[in-house]
Amino acid sequence: QKEVEQNSGPLSVPEGAIASLNCTYSDRGSQSFFWYRQYSGKSPELIMSIYSNGDKEDGRFTAQLNKASQYVSLLIRDSQPSDSATYLCAVNPRHAGGTSYGKLTFGQGTILTVHP
Amino acid sequence: DAGVIQSPRHEVTEMGQEVTLRCKPISGHDYLFWYRQTMMRGLELLIYFNNNVPIDDSGMPEDRFSAKMPNASFSTLKIQPSEPRDSAVYFCASSLAGTGDETQYFGPGTRLLVL
Repeated sequence: QKEVEQNSGPLSVPEGAIASLNCTYSDRGSQSFFWYRQYSGKSPELIMSIYSNGDKEDGRFTAQLNKASQYVSLLIRDSQPSDSATYLCAVNPRHAGGTSYGKLTFGQGTILTVHP
Repeated sequence: DAGVIQSPRHEVTEMGQEVTLRCKPISGHDYLFWYRQTMMRGLELLIYFNNNVPIDDSGMPEDRFSAKMPNASFSTLKIQPSEPRDSAVYFCASSLAGTGDETQYFGPGTRLLVL
């Protein structure tokens, strides 16, 4: 089992729709979760971080975390063509009080295409 | 701030040659990370430093790879000798601990092609 798994995609949604991206992780003790966006030929950039169970909203983006089920998701509302990119889920597998700060494990990414 | 700076942006070399990739982190950041990205394996952490000290190099694929951070503003990743399977995009990232924000800021990457 991979440490971080994402739905393989590619995912295609019409402009204005909600895009739902999912990620599961294997280390139950993980504490920190991140969503990065990577445009083709560019470097990853952070969209959202989430540390506690529940939802975290930032503009059109909502991250959802369920530690009991070991999944984290990203919802993009009112999807725009400019949202077309690869979305990378990243997990810091450190446990509470651990010292592996910043040691992120990335999923393979989900390619999202928003068509007009 | 100029962000994380990497050089060269593109590198084409022949198998067996030495390759040196360079990175300048964001000023004031105390963590520096080296990643490799390929279609097959995705984005992999190779090594990371805290205050210029290597913390975890378990992701370094083999002895042909080495990394150094002689000071807070410069790091190198060296491959010697290079092989075609080393062809990938190599990213450097930096972050600042102690702020509650674990954001890693990535450089533009070095696209390496080993022939």
